[in-house]
Order: sequence, then structure tokens, then C-alpha cells
Amino acid sequence: GQQLNQSPQSMFIQEGEDVSMNCTSSSIFNTWLWYKQDPGEGPVLLIALYKAGELTSNGRLTAQFGITRKDSFLNISASIPSDVGIYFCAGQGGDDKIIFGKGTRLHILP
Amino acid sequence: NAGVTQTPKFRILKIGQSMTLQCAQDMNHNYMYWYRQDPGMGLKLIYYSVGAGITDKGEVPNGYNVSRSTTEDFPLRLELAAPSQTSVYFCASRHYNSPLHFGNGTRLTVT
Repeated sequence: GQQLNQSPQSMFIQEGEDVSMNCTSSSIFNTWLWYKQDPGEGPVLLIALYKAGELTSNGRLTAQFGITRKDSFLNISASIPSDVGIYFCAGQGGDDKIIFGKGTRLHILP
Repeated sequence: NAGVTQTPKFRILKIGQSMTLQCAQDMNHNYMYWYRQDPGMGLKLIYYSVGAGITDKGEVPNGYNVSRSTTEDFPLRLELAAPSQTSVYFCASRHYNSPLHFGNGTRLTVT
């Protein structure tokens, strides 16, 4: 079945550093989504990507839909303490299933 | 709009009991989804629905049932609860070609 491989699993960075994470799959997706989840909450949408090659920004966040439609990345520039949390990629296939990666846990060192 | 509303917020079940997790949305979304999230893990798709009267299995459907008799409601049924079903359950909905909107989750413990 479809699977998303999200990496890295966790990151420890200094405040102010840039962050990069990505998702890959052997399957093609029509939509890529990036979510952030804080403890005890549901995931919140960060960026949605609908076309291969699309590059979209949301403030300090930038995400791209890979040309092959099998991958996507998320970059966070100049990290701040409130960026701490778990980041999930999600892919939607032609059958309307939306599946999620296992998440990247972002920790910011003081 | 209330968005996606899940009830109850918390529940403890004994092994073998049954229960229904409720999910309602007031955004007139056709698509609705149920996920489970085990501690420290990602979200796994249980069932989804592309409209009233239509449901499909996701990645981990065993032990669960769903129905979609109205656009607004998408209840998830556990018939014989097992410890392996201890998890946080999230319901989500969306329009066509739009991203998912999530509820706040139901935290279920089976002992």
C-alpha cells in the first residue's frame, strides 16, 4: 500500500537556525499537505500544494511539491521557540485517501 | 461555524465493550475521515467517506465500522474494544480539492 517516508524523525536546533524536512513515497500523489501538531491538539494546516513543481510560502515556511509527484519538502527559516512541535506531511492520491508520514519532532535548544 | 466537533473528549472502556465515537461538521464538507494516533506516532487512516452513503476502508480498518447517513455526521463504531485500540482518534473533513480540517480528538483507553 501507499506509504510516506518522512525524515528526519527528530531535530535539535538552535533558535534562529533554518530547518528542512522532507517526505518521499514510491506512490504518486495529487496533493501534498504539511501540518503542525502541538501537544494535546489536532493537526493544524501549514501549507497545501496542488501542482507538481509548486513552491508555496507561508511566512517563514516554504514548501515544494516535487516534480515527480512522489516527494515534498518543508523549510522553516530563522526558527523561533513557538516552532517547537511535530510536523507531518500528508499525501492525497487519486482515490481521495489522505495518508500521513510519521512526523518530524522539532526541538529548539535555548 | 463550530467546524469539526468530536464527542466524547475522553473515554475509558473495558475490554469487550462497544462504543461509538461521534463526529459532526457544519461546513457542508463532502469528504470526512477518521484517523487514529498512537503515542509518539503519526496518524493512521481508519475509514473515510466521499459523501453521504459512501464509505471506504483506510490503512487500519479492522475492529471498526462507520456509517455516513448524512453529510454532517460520520460516527465511528468499536464493537469489541481491545487494548490495541487505545489511542487518540481524530475526525477530519474537507471540501473537494481542499485540505483537511481536524477536530480536537477523542482520547480512548481500553483496559
